[in-house]
Amino acid sequence: NAGVMQNPRHLVRRRGQEARLRCSPMKGHSHVYWYRQLPEEGLKFMVYLQKENIIDESGMPKERFSAEFPKEGPSILRIQQVVRGDSAAYFCASSPGASGVSYNEQFFGPGTRLTVL
Amino acid sequence: DAKTTQPPSMDCAEGRAANLPCNHSTISGNEYVYWYRQIHSQGPQYIIHGLKNNETNEMASLIITEDRKSSTLILPHATLRDTAVYYCIVRGNAGGTSYGKLTFGQGTILTVHP
Repeated sequence: NAGVMQNPRHLVRRRGQEARLRCSPMKGHSHVYWYRQLPEEGLKFMVYLQKENIIDESGMPKERFSAEFPKEGPSILRIQQVVRGDSAAYFCASSPGASGVSYNEQFFGPGTRLTVL
Repeated sequence: DAKTTQPPSMDCAEGRAANLPCNHSTISGNEYVYWYRQIHSQGPQYIIHGLKNNETNEMASLIITEDRKSSTLILPHATLRDTAVYYCIVRGNAGGTSYGKLTFGQGTILTVHP
């Protein structure tokens, strides 16, 4: 059973370009979460999505960042017009979904390291 | 979600038990305690979670005090591969506004030495 997959593992972009990060959740998982880890800092929640819906985007920067999780295919985190401050590790996690009061732990992918030159 | 407090770093000898404490004095009755760890540059790994009873799995044990204001993660026989940052997280209830996301603090850097 494959785990959460993220690609690319490393991405280099020049300032002003667009970055697209992909996340394929574990089989059977319908909930996806994105987190960012800036150099020497902790993990920060960005956005929580279910299929075709954004549930919580309280951690997303207001501009240039967007996320989607279409009915078919991987979840995409898109960063437009990247700046040097966007350089970070971006982690995706998935879970089966909420089920009453049972809790579903989040399974994390290996991350995408974004470097903005 | 309730705030958690952990020591910034701890050391442990290989083969000995590692006991990682966490304070969560403002935890509410329907909040769970979760533990994750992050081995250098990898994605976080789920370890264990609990509500009020002590829990054990193949990785670790979780001891939660009766008043639920603190907990301890126990790695019974630490190995060099257990060197990582360990995060104690209190997570909101399903349906609440904070449900879903994990709020990571600074965690405890556990170093297991030979």
